[in-house]
Amino acid sequence: QKEVEQNSGPLSVPEGAIASLNCTYSDRGSQSFFWYRQYSGKSPELIMFIYSNGDKEDGRFTAQLNKASQYVSLLIRDSQPSDSATYLCAVSGGSNYKLTFGKGTLLTVNP
Amino acid sequence: NAGVTQTPKFQVLKTGQSMTLQCAQDMNHNSMYWYRQDPGMGLRLIYYSASEGTTDKGEVPNGYNVSRLNKREFSLRLESAAPSQTSVYFCASSESGTGNYGYTFGSGTRLTVV
Repeated sequence: QKEVEQNSGPLSVPEGAIASLNCTYSDRGSQSFFWYRQYSGKSPELIMFIYSNGDKEDGRFTAQLNKASQYVSLLIRDSQPSDSATYLCAVSGGSNYKLTFGKGTLLTVNP
Repeated sequence: NAGVTQTPKFQVLKTGQSMTLQCAQDMNHNSMYWYRQDPGMGLRLIYYSASEGTTDKGEVPNGYNVSRLNKREFSLRLESAAPSQTSVYFCASSESGTGNYGYTFGSGTRLTVV
């Protein structure tokens, strides 16, 4: 059974700070890693994906992947109140292309 | 630019009633999925269709059936609804069978079974 673990939070940060969201996964064969943002009452929205070890930056978002440690993270720089949402980590791998989702981390950015 | 369209958005059923949730995508994606989302449980895969003509069970298939009507449409049927099926249902699609491009989700169906 593949598992994706996230701290459920809530994670509370002040406006302008860096928010750090973490995720671990159990399947060493996993190849693709995704971060989704979900506002309350809305559907998940893809914000980042990463396939290779290291960092990937897109605007205020940076995804970090360490396959040896089976760890993926999302950093949000200059956090804004509009970033307040639940962030879902998702993993897929090899011939098993289905995504396995973590339960999500609730982020609150305080003005 | 509709993306993934789900109908209905809200539904209340009585125990034992049946219904079909509809999903259609206009992105020419091969793969389609049905998830349910419950508080504290995250997104759980019900059924998926890797390509037109194929369907497979996911993590929580009991009480559900699916039909991949064509490349665009993937429906989810509840034959005899139970209160345990009260949930938010999301349909999703992906560009390739490898899932390496992530999913695009529909807006969801909020189902209550009383």
